[in-house]
Amino acid sequence: DAEITQSPRHKITETGRQVTLACHQTWNHNNMFWYRQDLGHGLRLIHYSYGVQDTNKGEVSDGYSVSRSNTEDLPLTLESAASSQTSVYFCASRPGGDTGELFFGEGSRLTVL
Amino acid sequence: SQKIEQNSEALNIQEGKTATLTCNYTNYSPAYLQWYRQDPGRGPVFLLLIRENEKEKRKERLKVTFDTTLKQSLFHITASQPADSATYLCALGRRSNYQLIWGAGTKLIIKP
Repeated sequence: DAEITQSPRHKITETGRQVTLACHQTWNHNNMFWYRQDLGHGLRLIHYSYGVQDTNKGEVSDGYSVSRSNTEDLPLTLESAASSQTSVYFCASRPGGDTGELFFGEGSRLTVL
Repeated sequence: SQKIEQNSEALNIQEGKTATLTCNYTNYSPAYLQWYRQDPGRGPVFLLLIRENEKEKRKERLKVTFDTTLKQSLFHITASQPADSATYLCALGRRSNYQLIWGAGTKLIIKP
């Protein structure tokens, strides 16, 4: 079955370190998204991509970057982790178009000490 | 400012009753609205989509209404079951760029 997987599921790191969270989907979806989820907040969009070599900033993109070298993967990099980036991160994808449902990964819980 | 509000307090419902969750928004012109279910430690799972020109959508025991005048969507689960216990998220698709703006979710607890 097609799926979307995130790794690692849990990570603890120190302030200032670079961290990369992986996202891999096997649906061949064009659109991929990274969100963060914090208590009391709705999911907030970090970055998104509508296809290979396309990346766009979301509402909370500062301190994060993504790259899209193939259809399947959209890794999220924290250049210099900060305690404010402690959160649960979700990757999602959808086939294309503007209104379709999102398919989410299981999340990556990141703790920055 | 733009806001999406879902009841932050948990909703406790007796098994068999209808659960109704609310999603209110201000200062948006949504093109559509989606509802998702999220279980602890899992990613959200899509349930229903309703477009701005639709009043109601149904899927099995689920029903969603969308009132653009009241700026409100209601999500109903009829004949609720303990397995329906989860957090339910609403998300508005903005007309300007179709990006989703999310509510913080409402935790639903169905008691046997």
